[in-house]
Amino acid sequence: KQEVTQIPAALSVPEGENLVLNCSFTDSAIYNLQWFRQDPGKGLTSLLLIQSSQREQTSGRLNASLDKSSGRSTLYIAASQPGDSATYLCAVASGSNYKLTFGKGTLLTVNP
Amino acid sequence: DAGVIQSPRHEVTEMGQEVTLRCKPISGHNSLFWYRQTMMRGLELLIYFNNNVPIDDSGMPEDRFSAKMPNASFSTLKIQPSEPRDSAVYFCASRNPGGQETQYFGPGTRLLVL
Repeated sequence: KQEVTQIPAALSVPEGENLVLNCSFTDSAIYNLQWFRQDPGKGLTSLLLIQSSQREQTSGRLNASLDKSSGRSTLYIAASQPGDSATYLCAVASGSNYKLTFGKGTLLTVNP
Repeated sequence: DAGVIQSPRHEVTEMGQEVTLRCKPISGHNSLFWYRQTMMRGLELLIYFNNNVPIDDSGMPEDRFSAKMPNASFSTLKIQPSEPRDSAVYFCASRNPGGQETQYFGPGTRLLVL
């Protein structure tokens, strides 16, 4: 059974700092790994999707890496802003139906 | 596109009552997912439809939960009878044909069972 763990559970940083969120998964037989953002009271928004054959994806100030063999991914946020404050969830797609298994998320607070 | 639409956004009911949650996926998407999110367990997949057919319902907690997708533009998740431990946020998501694409989530229904 696939399990996804995210560390840390919560993170508070001052504005402008670069930061890294971590995600690990137990079964390396994945199709892709995705990072989502969830704002309070809202649904999830996809940030980055890394296919299993890829090593990283970038979008603006966000960079996600994937090391499938070790079961790890990181989400790097450069020059953090208060608007980046949200919960960040990692999910891996595996199994015959590309089922997504989610971590419990990292609650990020960026202080002005 | 309006995105995935869920209704109601909030539901408060008493234990034992029937609850019906509704979802309209993004037009053209052929896969639909129902998730439940709680603080304790995080986000869990309840059931997954492909082309209106239930493919994987292994996450449905018990017989009190049922889901239907009568056509490509509408799905329901029903809880009967509801219990306080069903209190959670229920999300619907849809996806383009082909499993390698991301899922698009609705805003969720916040359910409180008293």
